[in-house]
Amino acid sequence: RKEVEQDPGPFNVPEGATVAFNCTYSNSASQSFFWYRQDCRKEPKLLMSVYSSGNEDGRFTAQLNRASQYISLLIRDSKLSDSATYLCVSRDNYGQNFVFGPGTRLSVLP
Amino acid sequence: NAGVTQTPKFQVLKTGQSMTLQCAQDMNHNSMYWYRQDPGMGLRLIYYSASEGTTDKGEVPNGYNVSRLNKREFSLRLESAAPSQTSVYFCASSEALFGGQIYEQYFGPGTRLTVT
Repeated sequence: RKEVEQDPGPFNVPEGATVAFNCTYSNSASQSFFWYRQDCRKEPKLLMSVYSSGNEDGRFTAQLNRASQYISLLIRDSKLSDSATYLCVSRDNYGQNFVFGPGTRLSVLP
Repeated sequence: NAGVTQTPKFQVLKTGQSMTLQCAQDMNHNSMYWYRQDPGMGLRLIYYSASEGTTDKGEVPNGYNVSRLNKREFSLRLESAAPSQTSVYFCASSEALFGGQIYEQYFGPGTRLTVT
């Protein structure tokens, strides 16, 4: 079982739709969580860190459920420019390593 | 502020050739990482360096060596390239984990390597 798992996708949604991505992690020592965005043939870039209380950044909302070891990302009012692969990432409290999920591909259609 | 830089951007090697991928960061981060990314496989950690003077193996270290030259620079060497090492290589850096602080990773633009 992979340490970080994500919805396989791809998600094809129309502009303006709301889309939710789910992610689960198996290492209970994981302490920090992130969502990264990766455009085709580009490097991953931080979209947002995920805080215990949940957090929002414009159209993006991230939630963390430690009891269920589950993280989510909600994108409201999807734009064409949101088309990318979204990577769920965890970091444990002891090591220096970041563990990446396989990514979920989103295509926002006109 | 350049962030994380990598050279070269593209490289084609013949089987058995050697090369070094260079990475530098100007954010004064303690930790640096090398990943490879293959279609359908996601990002896999090759080696990392938690701080200057230390290096550790990641998930897929075979066929690679690294050098943490100083705090800024972390190089990845392929001693005898194989077609299985055809991939996109990303370097990343991060502040070291401390207390309850959340520190993310910053990535370089990647090196696209083809081994024929």
